[in-house]
Amino acid sequence: SQKIEQNSEALNIQEGKTATLTCNYTNYSPAYLQWYRQDPGRGPVFLLLIRENEKEKRKERLKVTFDTTLKQSLFHITASQPADSATYLCALMNYGGSQGNLIFGKGTKLSVKP
Amino acid sequence: SQTIHQWPATLVQPVGSPLSLECTVEGTSNPNLYWYRQAAGRGLQLLFYSVGIGQISSEVPQNLSASRPQDRQFILSSKKLLLSDSGFYLCAWRERGARNEQFFGPGTRLTVL
Repeated sequence: SQKIEQNSEALNIQEGKTATLTCNYTNYSPAYLQWYRQDPGRGPVFLLLIRENEKEKRKERLKVTFDTTLKQSLFHITASQPADSATYLCALMNYGGSQGNLIFGKGTKLSVKP
Repeated sequence: SQTIHQWPATLVQPVGSPLSLECTVEGTSNPNLYWYRQAAGRGLQLLFYSVGIGQISSEVPQNLSASRPQDRQFILSSKKLLLSDSGFYLCAWRERGARNEQFFGPGTRLTVL
């Protein structure tokens, strides 16, 4: 069966450390993968997109990697801050998927402690 | 710039009552529109998407329906709500072409009692 899994429901780290979140997928052939941030009671906000032929993407303190052999994406936040505390969702668009529809993981709730 | 609105923000409805949630987008034309539901512990589930006025595709069989009467208006409805319809409903839009990210509205928290 097809699955997209974010391995940790919750991740607690100390301020200043690097947070690493994992997204694994099974029986999909993603054209690209995206990461979103969601604060409580709000809609998700787009952060980064990485295509199947890209290994790494960066944006300020954020870095995403994409390994199609391992079927995995890693999302890193360096020099984490309490303001980074939120739920982070990964989403993929499958080749042949309808109209760019995304399939979302359940999310990882990140808590950064001061 | 583009904005997306949803209303109401919260809603408490009895079982068996009707539902109408509205979503409007400003600042873009001919977007793809999406309705998602987010239930506790279950992640974002795509309910409906639309590529144009009057064009609705359903991803899962359910007690809900959607309509797109205007280019930038998307409505989620039900004739009779079930307890299982409770959740956080999110509308999103996506621009046609190369940009692939989706932009989400603020959501509607629906509680069916």
